[in-house]
Amino acid sequence: DAMVIQNPRYQVTQFGKPVTLSCSQTLNHNVMYWYQQKSSQAPKLLFHYYDKDFNNEADTPDNFQSRRPNTSFCFLDIRSPGLGDAAMYLCATSLGPDGGYTFGSGTRLTVV
Amino acid sequence: GDSVTQMEGPVTLSEEAFLTINCTYTATGYPSLFWYVQYPGEGLQLLLKATKADDKGSNKGFEATYRKETTSFHLEKGSVQVSDSAVYFCALSEEYGNKLVFGAGTILRVKS
Repeated sequence: DAMVIQNPRYQVTQFGKPVTLSCSQTLNHNVMYWYQQKSSQAPKLLFHYYDKDFNNEADTPDNFQSRRPNTSFCFLDIRSPGLGDAAMYLCATSLGPDGGYTFGSGTRLTVV
Repeated sequence: GDSVTQMEGPVTLSEEAFLTINCTYTATGYPSLFWYVQYPGEGLQLLLKATKADDKGSNKGFEATYRKETTSFHLEKGSVQVSDSAVYFCALSEEYGNKLVFGAGTILRVKS
């Protein structure tokens, strides 16, 4: 089945130690997104790629970076995780505004 | 900017009760509207969507109608089940953009 896959489901990292979360898709969608969702809150868009065009949200901290080496993969890099970065990170894809969005199962990040 | 407002929860219902979760939006142009459901520890699943005024989205007994005159997209279900317990997010997709904007989410608890 075509889908969006996030690895790992659970990630524990040390305070200040760089961590990378991965997302892959078999849908061949143009757009890939990274959302941060803290407990009991709505998902918050960090950035998205339209093909290779990177779009950063104005309030996304510099600590968060992203890479999209090809259509299928997208990575979220957190350069120096703080305790406040503990959250569920959701990857999503879409074909465009009316194309519908498909979400992965998320990666729950714990910072110790 | 565009925004989505949902009724605050938690909403607690008995099994077989009628469900309404209110959602209103503010947007320029003609956005697409969505309801997503999130079960504990999981990612977001698309429940239903509507892409133009007066469209009705429906799935698994849930319905919502795109009302442009009242800028609303209320979620309804005639008879809820315990398995419907989850967090429900109303969202919009900008007409000419690639972003999904979420409401704060409404927790639904269904008791047997």
